Amino acid sequence: AQKITQTQPGMFVQEKEAVTLDCTYDTSDQSYGLFWYKQPSSGEMIFLIYQGSYDEQNATEGRYSLNFQKARKSANLVISASQLGDSAMYFCAMRESSGTYKYIFGTGTRLKVLA
Amino acid sequence: NAGVTQTPKFRILKIGQSMTLQCTQDMNHNYMYWYRQDPGMGLKLIYYSVGAGITDKGEVPNGYNVSRSTTEDFPLRLELAAPSQTSVYFCASSRSGRPYNEQFFGPGTRLTVL
Repeated sequence: AQKITQTQPGMFVQEKEAVTLDCTYDTSDQSYGLFWYKQPSSGEMIFLIYQGSYDEQNATEGRYSLNFQKARKSANLVISASQLGDSAMYFCAMRESSGTYKYIFGTGTRLKVLA
Repeated sequence: NAGVTQTPKFRILKIGQSMTLQCTQDMNHNYMYWYRQDPGMGLKLIYYSVGAGITDKGEVPNGYNVSRSTTEDFPLRLELAAPSQTSVYFCASSRSGRPYNEQFFGPGTRLTVL
């Protein structure tokens, strides 16, 4: 059954340092997409980055990169040079190519960036 | 493009009242979704739609109804509101059923049932 697991309920990182948020997934599909979303305290959901299951290179978007390890079924988000504005809830999500077109979300990781 | 818009932003209901949460997208997306997010928790899918006239249940559909008469609109109806429905409700859309299409979210509706 498709599932997303985020094992870190909360994380702290010092400003300007890098941080890795963990995400593992379970699927029997060969074709799927993995997404990360940011939810600041204001509440909106902001799309950050996408990784396709057939993509050979790890996705990058500015200070965000996705460490994709297909054999381990992990899709960790790496934020480089953390900023105070990165303090937020982060959700990992997956969408399979077959089935019901749903997105499956993890429970989220709350990141706090310290000055 | 306004993207995904939701109204109202906030609402307080009394137990037993009903209301409709409005959701509109102007991106011509076929797929639309309703989620609820309880405090400190992740997103739970209530209902989704793959096109006008087609809707299906998510994991927590009880107490809710939806309709999709147009591509743009996907209203969520709460009947007989209960305190357990106190939550933030997000509407989202995506262009197609392909796995690489991200979801675009509305700003959310914060609902309190007293």
